[in-house]
Amino acid sequence: GENVEQHPSTLSVQEGDSAVIKCTYSDSASNYFPWYKQELGKRPQLIIDIRSNVGEKKDQRIAVTLNKTAKHFSLHITETQPEDSAVYFCAASYYPPGNTGKLIFGQGTTLQVKP
Amino acid sequence: SAVISQKPSRDICQRGTSLTIQCQVDSQVTMMFWYRQQPGQSLTLIATANQGSEATYESGFVIDKFPISRPNLTFSTLTVSNMSPEDSSIYLCSVEDPYPLEETQYFGPGTRLLVL
Repeated sequence: GENVEQHPSTLSVQEGDSAVIKCTYSDSASNYFPWYKQELGKRPQLIIDIRSNVGEKKDQRIAVTLNKTAKHFSLHITETQPEDSAVYFCAASYYPPGNTGKLIFGQGTTLQVKP
Repeated sequence: SAVISQKPSRDICQRGTSLTIQCQVDSQVTMMFWYRQQPGQSLTLIATANQGSEATYESGFVIDKFPISRPNLTFSTLTVSNMSPEDSSIYLCSVEDPYPLEETQYFGPGTRLLVL
């Protein structure tokens, strides 16, 4: 089955710097890759996702890149702010056309943005 | 996106007892998912619940321990049976939002369970 590895487990950056979190997956059939942000005591919130027919997707300060050949994808946060501090989870899934898949999550990255 | 609520939000239970967690969605959804998040850990899928059929459990999770009901397209329950302290976790339901695309999963607020 699918296995997702996420690195680093913790990341500390200065406000205004960029942060990069990387994930690798094992199942080459996986075609959907979401990223979730979980603040302390809150539910995971979807922040961005990418499908396998796209190599990069950007939403304001957040971007995700996908390398299908190498089976890895990354989250990039630019101009980090203290409110970006949270735990970030990557996930991977295979969604057959017209059917449902299941998300396999990485281990999580605790991002701390220092003012 | 769908609005998801869970009850209870938290509970403290004695070992050997059972707790039923409810998940309510404000729109009809095909699939509902139940996850466990142990303290400081990632999310692990327990089972997938499709209305009108038996839930599909992941490796390591069994129906006797985590029975699930899915009586309609907006509601599901997860029961944690014969609890032990190792069951202390956050339990989250999620749904696939059909708009704009079905792959997108959104999570409920979670139920924080402490077993003494």
